[in-house]
Amino acid sequence: DQQVKQNSPSLSVQEGRISILNCDYTNSMFDYFLWYKKYPAEGPTFLISISSIKDKNEDGRFTVFLNKSAKHLSLHIVPSQPGDSAVYFCAASGTTDSWGKLQFGAGTQVVVTP
Amino acid sequence: NAGVMQNPRHLVRRRGQEARLRCSPMKGHSHVYWYRQLPEEGLKFMVYLQKENIIDESGMPKERFSAEFPKEGPSILRIQQVVRGDSAAYFCASSPIRQGVTEAFFGQGTRLTVV
Repeated sequence: DQQVKQNSPSLSVQEGRISILNCDYTNSMFDYFLWYKKYPAEGPTFLISISSIKDKNEDGRFTVFLNKSAKHLSLHIVPSQPGDSAVYFCAASGTTDSWGKLQFGAGTQVVVTP
Repeated sequence: NAGVMQNPRHLVRRRGQEARLRCSPMKGHSHVYWYRQLPEEGLKFMVYLQKENIIDESGMPKERFSAEFPKEGPSILRIQQVVRGDSAAYFCASSPIRQGVTEAFFGQGTRLTVV
């Protein structure tokens, strides 16, 4: 039962342009959402998060938008840089979950081209 | 990221053998989480431990899998009688206090291959 879905397995974007990664979820009990970045042969690294009481959170080049009614969130990276090439995972946790229990999407491979 | 140490990085086991994966949390961290990533999938929660306590093992397969985090030493994820379907990357994360998942740092993972 995949409760967090990233329907685009890959995304190619030119350097300097905007990268938009999408994530959908099905569980209305989720109240906290996170994005992680992962390079090959490394563990995930936390990027940015958003609580369900907000609809936008910004941190430098990264902005996460949450649309609770649509159960949809997105990550915007602008401008995209070559070092942003990685797999990005969307994750969620809910009030009924223990502290460390995150539900992850399958990931989106981002390739930033010169 | 570099603070959470997992070893070995790569582990090859024959079907039926036992696999032991170790995770040394960052200094001062008393909470450990294990996740598994199957090929082409996202990470799946397995277990959440504090020192000498299992807090949430709802993601652990009912058989063959066990985890511990003793008072001294690393956390151990043990898989008995491994099967091909156990081949995956196993990630450990640690955090200092029970306060928001953004406090957790992941290790580099152990890639288990069952042949």
